[in-house]
Amino acid sequence: DIQMTQSPSTLSASVGDRVTITCRASQSISGKLAWYQQKPGKAPKSLIYMASALQSGVPTRFSGSGSGTEFTLTISSLQPDDFATYYCQHDYGYPLTFGPGTKVDFK
Amino acid sequence: EVQLVESGGGLVQPGGSLRLSCAASGFSFSDYYMDWVRQAPAKGLEWVGRIRNKANSYTTEYSASVKGIFTISRDDSKNSLYLQMNSLKSEDTAVYFCARGHFGMDVWGQGTTVIDSS
Repeated sequence: DIQMTQSPSTLSASVGDRVTITCRASQSISGKLAWYQQKPGKAPKSLIYMASALQSGVPTRFSGSGSGTEFTLTISSLQPDDFATYYCQHDYGYPLTFGPGTKVDFK
Repeated sequence: EVQLVESGGGLVQPGGSLRLSCAASGFSFSDYYMDWVRQAPAKGLEWVGRIRNKANSYTTEYSASVKGIFTISRDDSKNSLYLQMNSLKSEDTAVYFCARGHFGMDVWGQGTTVIDSS
């Protein structure tokens, strides 16, 4: 099975900061990676698919990059609505697996 | 509006069974793969399984933790997805989400909660 790791596990930041989260796969997953945002008590929200494609309606301050085994999610200028937990997930064969999550909280 | 609404969660005794449902609306349900994902209290997301569409023979995939115990099915005539859970254990306590398996999982329901009553 492909294992997904994320770093950091927690990130403290301020409004306006540039934030980068890293996701690593235990083997190459080509570009088959998605990112999700989840707020407490809510369902996850899809942000990015195929490593860098923005879902419809997602603000352009979110961007994704990477290929192979290393991927990043970047928020160019953190907004109050962005404080949440972020998960990566590979879509390269079964079982699908999620990373453990990165919580972005207030500095 | 594209929407998924789960139902059927509740209290369950260890060893019991439960069937979750997910009602889809606002899109052509029969065209899409569908997923179940769960989240134990204060834990991360865990993929449970997937069912493909009719064009792909409704085949299914499962995580190792539920394979042979949980069964995913769908009824395209009712725009509905199901998760039959048998031999439930305390570690199955979680919020269960259904999601549309398209470009990742692009649409999610609000979740339904399954709680171990022991």
